[in-house]
Amino acid sequence: KQEVTQIPAALSVPEGENLVLNCSFTDSAIYNLQWFRQDPGKGLTSLLLIQSSQREQTSGRLNASLDKSSGRSTLYIAASQPGDSATYLCACEEDSSYKLIFGSGTRLLVRP
Amino acid sequence: DTGVSQDPRHKITKRGQNVTFRCDPISEHNRLYWYRQTLGQGPEFLTYFQNEAQLEKSRLLSDRFSAERPKGSFSTLEIQRTEQGDSAMYLCASSSGSGTATDTQYFGPGTRLTVL
Repeated sequence: KQEVTQIPAALSVPEGENLVLNCSFTDSAIYNLQWFRQDPGKGLTSLLLIQSSQREQTSGRLNASLDKSSGRSTLYIAASQPGDSATYLCACEEDSSYKLIFGSGTRLLVRP
Repeated sequence: DTGVSQDPRHKITKRGQNVTFRCDPISEHNRLYWYRQTLGQGPEFLTYFQNEAQLEKSRLLSDRFSAERPKGSFSTLEIQRTEQGDSAMYLCASSSGSGTATDTQYFGPGTRLTVL
C-alpha cells in the first residue's frame, strides 16, 4: 500500500528565503507525482506534475524534482513571498489506478 | 470555462439526516473523482467515474455513501444517516481522461460538511 509522507509538517521563513519541501513515498511504481497548493478552506491548485520518466519540472519560482529509486520528491521555492503562504501537498498517482495518494501537507508561512 | 464547481460550499446538518452534494466538472472532462479531507490531513480518495460508469470505490465509502454521475456530466454524492465522523471537506476533481501520465486532476472548491 502506497504511503506518502511530507516533512516538515509546518515551516516558517522570512520573506526572500529559498526553501525546500520534502515528500517521500514507499512504492516506486508511480505513474506521476504532483504538487498542489491549498489555501485555508479552499480547494487544491495544481502546481507541477512530474511524469515517472522525468527528473524535474519548473514553473516560475518553483522547481520540483523526482527520484523514483529513492522514493523522494522535493519542491524548491525560490525567493519566497508572503503570498506563497499556504499548505503544499504532494500526491502520487499509482500505475493505472488514476487515484491520487496524498501526503498530509506542509503548512508554509512566509513572514514579511 | 470556469473550472470545477461544487454546491453547496457549506452544509450543517444534524446527525441522522441525509445530505447530497453536487459537482459540475470542467466541460468535456471524462473523469470525475471524489475525495474527502479532514482537518490537518491530505485528501483521501473515495470514488471515481469514467463518463457515467463508477469504476472504483474506496473502502472508506461505506454503505451509507452513494455517488452517481448520470449521463456522464455532473455528479452527486449522497450520505445517508450522517454521523459526526462524516464531518469533513468533500472535494471533487475532474480530468480529461487522456490516459496519459500528464492527465492532471483539477479540483473544485469543496463542500465543507459539519454534522452536529
